[in-house]
Amino acid sequence: ETAVFQTPNYHVTQVGNEVSFNCKQTLGHDTMYWYKQDSKKLLKIMFSYNNKQLIVNETVPRRFSPQSSDKAHLNLRIKSVEPEDSAVYLCASSLDWGLYAEQFFGPGTRLTVL
Amino acid sequence: TQTVSQSDAHVTVFEGDSVELRCNYSYGGSIYLSWYIQHHGHGLQFLLKYYSGNPVVQGVNGFEAEFSKSDSSFHLRKASVHWSDSAVYFCAVSAGSNNRIFFGDGTQLVVKP
Repeated sequence: ETAVFQTPNYHVTQVGNEVSFNCKQTLGHDTMYWYKQDSKKLLKIMFSYNNKQLIVNETVPRRFSPQSSDKAHLNLRIKSVEPEDSAVYLCASSLDWGLYAEQFFGPGTRLTVL
Repeated sequence: TQTVSQSDAHVTVFEGDSVELRCNYSYGGSIYLSWYIQHHGHGLQFLLKYYSGNPVVQGVNGFEAEFSKSDSSFHLRKASVHWSDSAVYFCAVSAGSNNRIFFGDGTQLVVKP
């Protein structure tokens, strides 16, 4: 049963446009993540929030910015998309930031930049 | 820095065969190991985990994994695969003071009828 929800499922846009992806979890978890998954299925963590505090900010381009209104929501905004941003963006959550924290993933948002 | 290596990008077997998906890691301290599965068009789903105790851990759907400190490995196995096991499997390691998780590159498992 899905407990991490992402919208939209997919988005097609042109270079230079701004996009925003939403993620909500109903598990009561404290920590949320954004991953980028490329066409070869490689996963790269982009951001992580624990109790609304940013705790991991990988070296992603500045046009990417996470936005969190509360610990159940973590959105991702891309200011001016580039062709290399085409990928699947996966949102995940975990109970906490602990070593044993199993992550629960959403279905992903597929972004295509023309 | 810890790393996770999945040596096989693709594995193809027939339904009913046994399968082993390989995972090796490099880290000297205490670590937490896990496996995730990703079916086409979906997010990742947790399969199983190991931190301490019995080195053989059981997961869902008949999967198990065995931790080996001497080999720095955490291979995933299933005795008899089903076509629905076709998916990408990710090995993951988390360790260190910041508890970050690192995913391997994934192994695409194809189960033929």
